Amino acid sequence: QVQLVQSGAEVKKPGASVKVSCKASGYTFASYAIHWVRQAPGQSLEWMGWIIPGNGDTKYSQKFQGRVTITRDTSASTAYMDLSSLRSEDTAVYFCARSYTTSSEFDYWGQGSLVTVSS
Amino acid sequence: EIVLTQSPGTLSLSPGERATLSCRASQSVSSSYLAWYQQKPGQAPRLLIYGASSRATGIPDRFSGSGSETDFTLTISRLEPEDFAVYYCQQYGSSPPLTFGGGTKVEIK
Repeated sequence: QVQLVQSGAEVKKPGASVKVSCKASGYTFASYAIHWVRQAPGQSLEWMGWIIPGNGDTKYSQKFQGRVTITRDTSASTAYMDLSSLRSEDTAVYFCARSYTTSSEFDYWGQGSLVTVSS
Repeated sequence: EIVLTQSPGTLSLSPGERATLSCRASQSVSSSYLAWYQQKPGQAPRLLIYGASSRATGIPDRFSGSGSETDFTLTISRLEPEDFAVYYCQQYGSSPPLTFGGGTKVEIK
């Protein structure tokens, strides 16, 4: 069965970076895009960017351009989201999600990874 | 950027009642690339509807989606206890950013 399993919770200080992983199983990793979406406490969902694991192409939301980097390791069927220059407003649950193309609905989601930014 | 506005913010209903949720887009959503997700506390969102009106795998037929261009609706024909949750619409057809609505909470009256 399709599964996206994310890394655990992180606590970071302002100005630091965080790297969240998303390990895929149950399907051909290269054949589906992986998106990263975050949700601040009590707030809605916010799309951050995607990667096409097959060729490594990426696209980021303008809001996060320059601070976010999405990468993948095809040998490990894992995608990564790196967010730098963290501030308190980045405290959120970060989700990865799969879509068949970059213009498709998100049919499977990871369980979420809580990132807390606090001094 | 396409802004999605969901209404109402909160819907208070009893089990067995019909729920009608609205999602309005600031500009036309191409090819009805509009999805609906359900989210329960502490969980990831779950895909309910894609392409504005197609039910995802395993979704009960009490959930239905309709609409086009800028106005979309999610209808739950008869609320079951497990349907009380937050619902989000999402557009995924235009150039990035992909965007989500602010959500509608369906709570028990």
